[in-house]
Amino acid sequence: DTGVSQDPRHKITKRGQNVTFRCDPISEHNRLYWYRQTLGQGPEFLTYFQNEAQLEKSRLLSDRFSAERPKGSFSTLEIQRTEQGDSAMYLCASTPGETPGEKLFFGSGTQLSVL
Amino acid sequence: AQSVTQPDIHITVSEGASLELRCNYSYGATPYLFWYVQSPGQGLQLLLKYFSGDTLVQGIKGFEAEFKRSQSSFNLRKPSVHWSDAAEYFCAVGAWGSDDKIIFGKGTRLHILP
Repeated sequence: DTGVSQDPRHKITKRGQNVTFRCDPISEHNRLYWYRQTLGQGPEFLTYFQNEAQLEKSRLLSDRFSAERPKGSFSTLEIQRTEQGDSAMYLCASTPGETPGEKLFFGSGTQLSVL
Repeated sequence: AQSVTQPDIHITVSEGASLELRCNYSYGATPYLFWYVQSPGQGLQLLLKYFSGDTLVQGIKGFEAEFKRSQSSFNLRKPSVHWSDAAEYFCAVGAWGSDDKIIFGKGTRLHILP
């Protein structure tokens, strides 16, 4: 069990550029979450997957955000035409996805800075 | 859909004093509830969770929380805080069924006076 891995740890980009983040969940964890966290705030739900199926995408999320989990293992989160307001820590978490109330295992996050 | 409110943005207590952090949730059925802690520059650590059964839940680091359905609350308590408890605390709620994503509150920042 190597934990949830996120890549890159840090990303600096210019406004208008596209960025993509990767998350590798704990092996055999079926459920995968993406959250966004800004300083002094709680993790804001973005989207989640059960295996390769995307169960929900936050209505607060614009169409510039898209996530995939093509084979039910790793996931990618893409932000198109980045804006300064996208600057945040992007957190990935996974759970076995077998029963309700499971503990979330978080990655270390990807810190995005949009200049 | 479920939601969670943490009414207190900041709480300051003296070292050795008791602590209670408030959490209120909104969900039509029985939720499952969590408290996580995040120290500066650190990841989120699970303190405790409630799923079913005994409504008083014990967690790590001497924390406990009580689920009160009538008040839609899941307040976190500790009888005597230590300086190392200074951190951000997040309440989270999940649901049964198809809409079972986990939603976090905005957090309460705990400050400890020496």
